[in-house]
Amino acid sequence: DADVTQTPRNRITKTGKRIMLECSQTKGHDRMYWYRQDPGLGLRLIYYSFDVKDINKGEISDGYSVSRQAQAKFSLSLESAIPNQTALYFCATSDLNDEQFFGPGTRLTVL
Amino acid sequence: QKEVEQDPGPLSVPEGAIVSLNCTYSNSAFQYFMWYRQYSRKGPELLMYTYSSGNKEDGRFTAQVDKSSKYISLFIRDSQPSDSATYLCAMTRGGGSQGNLIFGKGTKLSVKP
Repeated sequence: DADVTQTPRNRITKTGKRIMLECSQTKGHDRMYWYRQDPGLGLRLIYYSFDVKDINKGEISDGYSVSRQAQAKFSLSLESAIPNQTALYFCATSDLNDEQFFGPGTRLTVL
Repeated sequence: QKEVEQDPGPLSVPEGAIVSLNCTYSNSAFQYFMWYRQYSRKGPELLMYTYSSGNKEDGRFTAQVDKSSKYISLFIRDSQPSDSATYLCAMTRGGGSQGNLIFGKGTKLSVKP
């Protein structure tokens, strides 16, 4: 079984809809991250969490929110989706040595 | 100036060639350097991890870090079609809570049989 799982893997939605992307991990890591990847822009950090009570904004947090429900679960929400949020979204986890383990990604399309 | 610069390519080489991938960076505080490989429609996976300056070898892959020049490289010897992927450099000040990973934009590599 995969160590980092993301659901859904693909999602098409409409402008203005609320969307939640979910991430679960079995690696036992305290740290979890949400990134988006766009062609030509690389990976950009949206939010990160060093433990259940610690949530931090990343480079591009506007329009997004997160919830760390447990050590193993970290969800990303788009309160009112807009077309420029169309991207590939990755969840990642890490322990203290900085190596990050990525999930398979969620391809989100906002029409 | 971006913190991390990486030529996006694409880079196309014949099977068996030696491939050189590079990144430059501006923040002299970076201490930990990584290379991730990302296959199409997959998440990035760690390929090489080095601390400070020097070389690290793992099979056909060699990572080099030159902190004086703020330049890191990944060499792939005897490249194979299965090496076709996007390669992302990443770096951090490290030390656990010292800072998050900063990624390059990735170089797309194609190895032709």
